[in-house]
Amino acid sequence: AQSVTQLGSHVSVSEGALVLLRCNYSSSVPPYLFWYVQYPNQGLQLLLKYTTGATLVKGINGFEAEFKKSETSFHLTKPSAHMSDAAEYFCAVSPEGAGTALIFGKGTTLSVSS
Amino acid sequence: KAGVTQTPRYLIKTRGQQVTLSCSPISGHRSVSWYQQTPGQGLQFLFEYFSETQRNKGNFPGRFSGRQFSNSRSEMNVSTLELGDSALYLCASSLADRVTNEKLFFGSGTQLSVL
Repeated sequence: AQSVTQLGSHVSVSEGALVLLRCNYSSSVPPYLFWYVQYPNQGLQLLLKYTTGATLVKGINGFEAEFKKSETSFHLTKPSAHMSDAAEYFCAVSPEGAGTALIFGKGTTLSVSS
Repeated sequence: KAGVTQTPRYLIKTRGQQVTLSCSPISGHRSVSWYQQTPGQGLQFLFEYFSETQRNKGNFPGRFSGRQFSNSRSEMNVSTLELGDSALYLCASSLADRVTNEKLFFGSGTQLSVL
């Protein structure tokens, strides 16, 4: 069965610092990959997704992620953190043909201090 | 365009009772998926409905069921509630006119507490 591992349940950065949230997946066939963000008392919002093509994917709010097949990774980055980025971030995979049945990682809570 | 609407926002039930949660998808979206979110297990896929038919199902017991109406609104039902059913239940809608990895739009969820 496929799985998603997010390294670090909690990441703390200073405002203006680089944000790096790590995600590794287990799959023999490259799946579709997603990053979602969840703000307190809200549902999930899609940040970006990788299906095929360019391995560097740009998303909303200045976030981007790079698909590395050899490392089975899909790490999320943002050059400069903002206070409003504080939230919980989820990496997810969808095996081809699985439709909307995403497999989520356990999530990483990002804290941003001034 | 209105987003995904879930009602009620909070529910408190006791063990053994049953509960029904409601989800209204974004207008034009025909696919509705349900997820359970708990601190221990994280986000887990329950099932997906498309055009009133269950198209996919996760690994949950038969106490969890759902349905979709002709206007794409969906309900999920949990019978014989257990303490472990306490969770945030999220509904997500998408266009998904074929089995593909369409973008999911999530509602704010229904927080169910089982006492």
